[in-house]
Amino acid sequence: DQQVKQNSPSLSVQEGRISILNCDYTNSMFDYFLWYKKYPAEGPTFLISISSIKDKNEDGRFTVFLNKSAKHLSLHIVPSQPGDSAVYFCAAIPFNNAGNMLTFGGGTRLMVKP
Amino acid sequence: GAGVSQSPRYKVAKRGQDVALRCDPISGHVSLFWYQQALGQGPEFLTYFQNEAQLDKSGLPSDRFFAERPEGSVSTLKIQRTQQEDSAVYLCASSLAGGTYEQYFGPGTRLTVT
Repeated sequence: DQQVKQNSPSLSVQEGRISILNCDYTNSMFDYFLWYKKYPAEGPTFLISISSIKDKNEDGRFTVFLNKSAKHLSLHIVPSQPGDSAVYFCAAIPFNNAGNMLTFGGGTRLMVKP
Repeated sequence: GAGVSQSPRYKVAKRGQDVALRCDPISGHVSLFWYQQALGQGPEFLTYFQNEAQLDKSGLPSDRFFAERPEGSVSTLKIQRTQQEDSAVYLCASSLAGGTYEQYFGPGTRLTVT
């Protein structure tokens, strides 16, 4: 029973174009969402997050959108750069979870072609 | 500054052997998490410490898995009588406190059980 799903295992984008990575969740108790980026042989690194009280959060080239009614979030990268090539994980934390343990999706491998 | 470190980075164990995986969190980080990442999947929560107290171990897959953090700093994840299905990357993460959502991950230990 996967509570966080990333339905696209891979995505290929041309350098300079927009990358859109999608994530769906089923647990309505999730109220904080994060995106992590992972290079091979390294641990995930935090990229950007969004609280359920917002529908958009922006940080430089990265923007996360949240649609609570659809239980859907997306990460937009504009413009995409070859260094963005990595596996991207979305993760969620439920409301009032004292430990804040993360529930991850399966990841999407992004390849940005020069 | 030093990030989260884990050792060993790679471990090969024969089925039935016991293994111990070490995590050194970022200094001063109160919360420590262990995750298991199977090939091609997202990380899955195993257990959570706040200082030396293990507050949640609901993700540990069996009683062969045991984690400790006796002095509230370094943590060890021990797996007894390893099985092939234990083969995975074991990730450790730390964060400042339970109310802080961002977790900092180590590079992981890749365990292969033959």
